[in-house]
Amino acid sequence: EAGVAQSPRYKIIEKRQSVAFWCNPISGHATLYWYQQILGQGPKLLIQFQNNGVVDDSQLPKDRFSAERLKGVDSTLKIQPAKLEDSAVYLCASSLSGQNYEQYFGPGTRLTVT
Amino acid sequence: DQQVKQNSPSLSVQEGRISILNCDYTNSMFDYFLWYKKYPAEGPTFLISISSIKDKNEDGRFTVFLNKSAKHLSLHIVPSQPGDSAVYFCAASVADSWGKLQFGAGTQVVVTP
Repeated sequence: EAGVAQSPRYKIIEKRQSVAFWCNPISGHATLYWYQQILGQGPKLLIQFQNNGVVDDSQLPKDRFSAERLKGVDSTLKIQPAKLEDSAVYLCASSLSGQNYEQYFGPGTRLTVT
Repeated sequence: DQQVKQNSPSLSVQEGRISILNCDYTNSMFDYFLWYKKYPAEGPTFLISISSIKDKNEDGRFTVFLNKSAKHLSLHIVPSQPGDSAVYFCAASVADSWGKLQFGAGTQVVVTP
């Protein structure tokens, strides 16, 4: 079974530029999560999708971050414009359903904003 | 606010000995707890979990203990092996929250020969 795929693995941009991350969850997983992990901290949930609908985006900085999950499969997370404090690892995870607590994580995208 | 806390950022243990990782939480609504393990440049992987209706769950070398009155859980690894060297995250969830997890900051475990 293929795991959660993410790209790119690394990205370096200057502040005020825009960036996008892509995630392909495990086949058949209805729930998809985007997390932000700042160095020295645990992952923090940014947004959660159930199929292609948003379940929770309470911690997503909506003035600069946006996310979509078209057709209930792949998802993209965008930051525009980026700030220095957005430097972090962005993790995508998926689970069979929102009631299944076991989440499978991708390798993450390490973003550096200079 | 940090509702899940791992107060020990690092732990060093000798191979073959027991590793004990601790986690405290503040939200009494949490009813499901998980431990994840993370190697460098990889995403976290699920290790073991426990429901609030239990006080112990065991899976091979890994045992999780839950003390609800103290709002405390711990992960025991016996015996510790070099491959256990990783960052361990404690996570918790509230029922009917669509599986939303709150993570602690993690504990770096180093197993020495």
